Amino acid sequence: AQKITQTQPGMFVQEKEAVTLDCTYDTSDPSYGLFWYKQPSSGEMIFLIYQGSYDQQNATEGRYSLNFQKARKSANLVISASQLGDSAMYFCAMRLTGGGNKLTFGTGTQLKVEL
Amino acid sequence: ETGVTQSPTHLIKTRGQQVTLRCSSQSGHNTVSWYQQALGQGPQFIFQYYREEENGRGNFPPRFSGLQFPNYSSELNVNALELDDSALYLCASSLGGTGHSNTEAFFGQGTRLTVV
Repeated sequence: AQKITQTQPGMFVQEKEAVTLDCTYDTSDPSYGLFWYKQPSSGEMIFLIYQGSYDQQNATEGRYSLNFQKARKSANLVISASQLGDSAMYFCAMRLTGGGNKLTFGTGTQLKVEL
Repeated sequence: ETGVTQSPTHLIKTRGQQVTLRCSSQSGHNTVSWYQQALGQGPQFIFQYYREEENGRGNFPPRFSGLQFPNYSSELNVNALELDDSALYLCASSLGGTGHSNTEAFFGQGTRLTVV
């Protein structure tokens, strides 16, 4: 069975600074995708970035980048130039290829951006 | 906005009652999955529907059931409600039932269910 671990329940960062949110995963399946979602207090899950297990390069989407270290089974999210609007809950998730669209989520990291 | 809409947004039910939650998927998406998110937790996969058939289920009892309609909208039904069923229920729509790992799932804003 697959598992996602997020060890940081809460993180603080100053506006305009970069922050790294940690995620490690566990699966014996060689083909999988890793996702990061942002969940504001409104509840909606907002897709941020995706990394495939066979992708050679780390994914980037604007201010978001994914530091993918396959041998360590880690997929950390880096947010550059933090903004006040980045304050939210962040979830790392995994989906196995051929496993339908079942996402396995971690417990999340609450990020607060301060002035 | 993702184009996935859920109704109602909030709901209060009494223990033992039944509830139906609804989800309209994004245009063109043929797969809907449902998740339960308890307070302070990550979402847990309940089940998935692809072209009106259930084709994946998480560790939830049979009193959690669902339907998908020809227009790919979906319902989640929960019978004999228990206090622990209080949670945010999220639906996500995507394209492709067998699952390409990079298929993005678009989530609705959720239904917050409170069981008293």
